[in-house]
Amino acid sequence: SQKIEQNSEALNIQEGKTATLTCNYTNYSPAYLQWYRQDPGRGPVFLLLIRENEKEKRKERLKVTFDTTLKQSLFHITASQPADSATYLCALGPENNAGNMLTFGGGTRLMVKP
Amino acid sequence: NAGVTQTPKFRVLKTGQSMTLLCAQDMNHEYMYWYRQDPGMGLRLIHYSVGEGTTAKGEVPDGYNVSRLKKQNFLLGLESAAPSQTSVYFCASSLFNYGYTFGSGTRLTVV
Repeated sequence: SQKIEQNSEALNIQEGKTATLTCNYTNYSPAYLQWYRQDPGRGPVFLLLIRENEKEKRKERLKVTFDTTLKQSLFHITASQPADSATYLCALGPENNAGNMLTFGGGTRLMVKP
Repeated sequence: NAGVTQTPKFRVLKTGQSMTLLCAQDMNHEYMYWYRQDPGMGLRLIHYSVGEGTTAKGEVPDGYNVSRLKKQNFLLGLESAAPSQTSVYFCASSLFNYGYTFGSGTRLTVV
């Protein structure tokens, strides 16, 4: 069965550094991959979508890469700030672009210290 | 623009009681979804809808029913609540192949 792995341990980094979060998956060939941010007690907020034929996507201080050979996505936040502290979820779209149902990873908690 | 609105925000049920969670979106999205989020389990899809009048089962549909009589509303029903259904429930909507807009969640406790 398909499996999505995100580091369940919190990532602690210093303000100003680049945070890199990893999303690995197995037994799956998603048409696209998405990243979300979730703050405590709130619903996830969509950040970026990257399709299987795209290697990299950028949005302001965010960068996502998608390696379908390694079955891995990396999510980078450059010049991190304490306000970036949150849980980040990766989500895989369906195979063959069939519908829009996402399968979510368990999330990685990011803590940015001033 | 309200986005996705869920009601209620909190609810405590006794085992065996029934309830309906309401989800409304004002973005004219075709797709709507119900997820539950549990510690250590992540978000799991319960049911979804690809348009008005359609519903389909997700990963964990047992014990739940849904209806989408109007495009903007997606209702999740629990016919006979069980303690295993204690969770945080999120509704979301989207366009095809776009990111989801989530509601703020309903925290349900079944005692």
